[in-house]
Amino acid sequence: DAMVIQNPRYQVTQFGKPVTLSCSQTLNHNVMYWYQQKSSQAPKLLFHYYDKDFNNEADTPDNFQSRRPNTSFCFLDIRSPGLGDAAMYLCATSRNRGREPQHFGDGTRLSIL
Amino acid sequence: GENVEQHPSTLSVQEGDSAVIKCTYSDSASNYFPWYKQELGKRPQLIIDIRSNVGEKKDQRIAVTLNKTAKHFSLHITETQPEDSAVYFCAASNNAGNMLTFGGGTRLMVKP
Repeated sequence: DAMVIQNPRYQVTQFGKPVTLSCSQTLNHNVMYWYQQKSSQAPKLLFHYYDKDFNNEADTPDNFQSRRPNTSFCFLDIRSPGLGDAAMYLCATSRNRGREPQHFGDGTRLSIL
Repeated sequence: GENVEQHPSTLSVQEGDSAVIKCTYSDSASNYFPWYKQELGKRPQLIIDIRSNVGEKKDQRIAVTLNKTAKHFSLHITETQPEDSAVYFCAASNNAGNMLTFGGGTRLMVKP
């Protein structure tokens, strides 16, 4: 059974039109992460939540925001998507930060028209 | 911050042969080293991990070795099968809550 669920699997949006990607987890993990992955590259961390504490990576563009209304759900909002934001977006969870395994969802592939 | 380098970037082996992927890290405080397998269009899946209090860990055909002094760790896959074909990522993190730092990935192709 899927433990980290991302919806939708595929998302198409228009240049500049806001889009929201969602992630839910059944693991009751404290930490939730959002990664961006472009073709043939390693996942790039955008930000993470440790419980309700939001942590932004220094090089994450302001265009990307996140919300975690409760333990189970986390959202990625892209306010004004550009062509360069087309990528796979991966959500992951871990019990705690540091030396804990991260469990990934299947990802949402975002296309920009 | 941590920097993880991974080699080779591509690796082609014959079915049944062994495959070895190597990673080096820069932060001596790193003490957790997972390996992820990612098939095309799918999520990264944790296949094995090692903590710095051990030098080697094995799970069936997969093993990971860690050399803390030299700051490198390796993934060993024996008796490779076509279904082992994927991109493999190494990563490193530490107790201080630092996030996983990924290596650049290795595309493994197992030829039948």
